Amino acid sequence: KAGVTQTPRYLIKTRGQQVTLSCSPISGHRSVSWYQQTPGQGLQFLFEYFSETQRNKGNFPGRFSGRQFSNSRSEMNVSTLELGDSALYLCASSLSHSNYGYTFGSGTRLTVV
Amino acid sequence: ILNVEQSPQSLHVQEGDSTNFTCSFPSSNFYALHWYRWETAKSPEALFVMTLNGDEKKKGRISATLNTKEGYSYLYIKGSQPEDSATYLCAFKGDSSYKLIFGSGTRLLVRP
Repeated sequence: KAGVTQTPRYLIKTRGQQVTLSCSPISGHRSVSWYQQTPGQGLQFLFEYFSETQRNKGNFPGRFSGRQFSNSRSEMNVSTLELGDSALYLCASSLSHSNYGYTFGSGTRLTVV
Repeated sequence: ILNVEQSPQSLHVQEGDSTNFTCSFPSSNFYALHWYRWETAKSPEALFVMTLNGDEKKKGRISATLNTKEGYSYLYIKGSQPEDSATYLCAFKGDSSYKLIFGSGTRLLVRP
């Protein structure tokens, strides 16, 4: 079956712009989580969605937002980009929040110049 | 602030060596502990999800143990192979949370 698909794979934006990243989970997976990885940092939790509801949000400024659609696809948006937003953004899907491992996408590498 | 610590940060071993890493996590409000393998240029891949104190899980040459009372988990690799070279991540999930808190990982390099 198809894995978790993230688009685009690479993105270059300038400071002040906004960006939207997309994540299509595995069919049947209703939970989608987003993580940010910057050099020297582990995976930092951004938010988690289940059935179009945001159930948890990480410690990121309000410039970071997301949503989930009825088909479980999710988008995250970052407005007013800063240089420090340059990172690998990973999306992961799972059947539920309980005992299942997450399946990760290949990520979107965002570079802010 | 919940903290998940992994040690060592990196490890270089010879092919055939057995090795182990440690993950420390909060011992209160525990729900699950995940282990992932992350190879360069690939996505993190789930190895184990552990939920019960004393749990032991095995997948081929890789196994893991869990102690929720003292807040640690060990990952063992028996007879390391070059293809085991990757970063191994553990992640903690609390019982009132929908997020995984990841450690910084242990980077393993297995020399042929």
